[in-house]
Amino acid sequence: QKEVEQDPGPLSVPEGAIVSLNCTYSNSAFQYFMWYRQYSRKGPELLMYTYSSGNKEDGRFTAQVDKSSKYISLFIRDSQPSDSATYLCAMSTGETSGSRLTFGEGTQLTVNP
Amino acid sequence: EPEVTQTPSHQVTQMGQEVILRCVPISNHLYFYWYRQILGQKVEFLVSFYNNEISEKSEIFDDQFSVERPDGSNFTLKIRSTKLEDSAMYFCASSPPNTDTQYFGPGTRLTVL
Repeated sequence: QKEVEQDPGPLSVPEGAIVSLNCTYSNSAFQYFMWYRQYSRKGPELLMYTYSSGNKEDGRFTAQVDKSSKYISLFIRDSQPSDSATYLCAMSTGETSGSRLTFGEGTQLTVNP
Repeated sequence: EPEVTQTPSHQVTQMGQEVILRCVPISNHLYFYWYRQILGQKVEFLVSFYNNEISEKSEIFDDQFSVERPDGSNFTLKIRSTKLEDSAMYFCASSPPNTDTQYFGPGTRLTVL
């Protein structure tokens, strides 16, 4: 079983739609959860960072963590063509400072004008 | 806004040659990392570095790889004898103290012929 699973898509939505991106994981030691956005052949850009369970909102983006189900989500409201990118979930145990990130495969999103 | 920078953006080398990939982390960050992403695959952790020593490394980071912080600003990844399968994007990342948020550079695309 993969440590982190993410549907690679591709996902195509019309402009203005609400987008839901998800990851599941198997390692119950993961405590820190991140979402990154990656444009083609560029570095991952940090979007959201959450610790343990709960919700976090930042503008059009909402991150949710459900540790009991080992399931995390990223919601994008009022999606824009500029949101077209690959979205990567990443997580770490935080056992030590500077813990490694374990990434999902990424979901490729296209927002059509 | 401070950013992680990486040079070169693209490196082409012959199999068996040594390459050095360079990174300048964000100035007040204390933890440094290298990740790689083979085309079409997930981002994979290679190594983390703190206080002038390796704090964690993955099974990928074998004896052909080494890291160094030669001065107060640069962080390098050396691959001693490159193989075809080393062709990938290599990302440097850094994180500030007391957090697991990692900020990525734009990457170096390594092509081994």
